[in-house]
Amino acid sequence: GAVVSQHPSWVICKSGTSVKIECRSLDFQATTMFWYRQFPKQSLMLMATSNEGSKATYEQGVEKDKFLINHASLTLSTLTVTSAHPEDSSFYICSAHHGQGADTQYFGPGTRLTVL
Amino acid sequence: QQQVKQSPQSLIVQKGGISIINCAYENTAFDYFPWYQQFPGKGPALLIAIRPDVSEKKEGRFTISFNKSAKQFSLHIMDSQPGDSATYFCAASKNSGYALNFGKGTSLLVTP
Repeated sequence: GAVVSQHPSWVICKSGTSVKIECRSLDFQATTMFWYRQFPKQSLMLMATSNEGSKATYEQGVEKDKFLINHASLTLSTLTVTSAHPEDSSFYICSAHHGQGADTQYFGPGTRLTVL
Repeated sequence: QQQVKQSPQSLIVQKGGISIINCAYENTAFDYFPWYQQFPGKGPALLIAIRPDVSEKKEGRFTISFNKSAKQFSLHIMDSQPGDSATYFCAASKNSGYALNFGKGTSLLVTP
């Protein structure tokens, strides 16, 4: 099956710093990638939809200037959490879909962000 | 607003038993209904998915039953094993290429 990787798998940073998370589709080209956030023992909440070469579409309540998303190629999307604060601590998960009638979204393994 | 409602929140089943998780949705535009399994600290993994043109789909021990008129779908895990202990999420979207609307999840524990 298709593989989606994320890097880093976990990161600890100080409040006020920025953190970049990468999401890569390893064996297919992803026309669309999604970013989700998951708090402990809760469901996945969509943050934004990212299409290659265009601006991301953010869900209501998600600050686009705080969570910068770049989908520069068909295999890479990045999420940058700017000026991170402790309330941004969460599990961030991406998924990728390669369109063309494909039937499945593939999820990455997630990135655990802890902001001190 | 939760577009997909999932129950139960938690479930305990004995080894060899059947685990049943139910989901309901309101948006009739949804036409793709996957189930995901998630272990702690890991990303969700697709188990099985169904579209509304069929009422049931089976893959190994996992079966989705779909009731379009009732706008409900369920996951049945036959011969449940301790290794099945995980959190299960149902989801729905307009198409597999659209963002998924997840249920709140069901924590399944299969006891030996």
